[in-house]
Amino acid sequence: GENVEQHPSTLSVQEGDSAVIKCTYSDSASNYFPWYKQELGKGPQLIIDIRSNVGEKKDQRIAVTLNKTAKHFSLHITETQPEDSAVYFCAASTDSWGKLQFGAGTQVVVTP
Amino acid sequence: DTAVSQTPKYLVTQMGNDKSIKCEQNLGHDTMYWYKQDSKKFLKIMFSYNNKELIINETVPNRFSPKSPDKAHLNLHINSLELGDSAVYFCASSQVTPNSPLHFGNGTRLTVT
Repeated sequence: GENVEQHPSTLSVQEGDSAVIKCTYSDSASNYFPWYKQELGKGPQLIIDIRSNVGEKKDQRIAVTLNKTAKHFSLHITETQPEDSAVYFCAASTDSWGKLQFGAGTQVVVTP
Repeated sequence: DTAVSQTPKYLVTQMGNDKSIKCEQNLGHDTMYWYKQDSKKFLKIMFSYNNKELIINETVPNRFSPKSPDKAHLNLHINSLELGDSAVYFCASSQVTPNSPLHFGNGTRLTVT
């Protein structure tokens, strides 16, 4: 089955700096790669996703890149703000039934 | 308006008891899920229902039984609770179109003592 590895497990950045989280996946059939943000006491919330026919996608301060050959994808957050502090999860899916394989999560702390 | 709502938010119970968690979504989605998040925050799918039919059933002990009375509701019943069942359980929903985003509820924190 699919295996998703996520690094780093914790990331501390100064406000205004950039944050990068990297994930690798094992199943070359995976075709959908969402990123979720989980704030304390809440459920994960989708922040951006990318499909296998696209190499890069951007939404304001957030961007995701996908390298299908190397089987890795990354989340980039620019101009970080304290409200970006949360746990971020990458995930991969090979089918359409929402069976996401999640990475282990990255705790991001943005210090003012 | 809460899109995916779960009750209760917290559940503390003793080993051996039976408990249920309820989930409702008002997004008009056809597909609903149960995910389990362990103490290390690892998220893993347990079940998925599409229009009241079970479509994903991961290797979950048969003490866990999902029930979908209609496509807006997916409940989770757990028999003979064990210490290892302590976790946060998330309900989610999505459209049936391929790779539609999942919308998660805010979770039910189950503590088994």
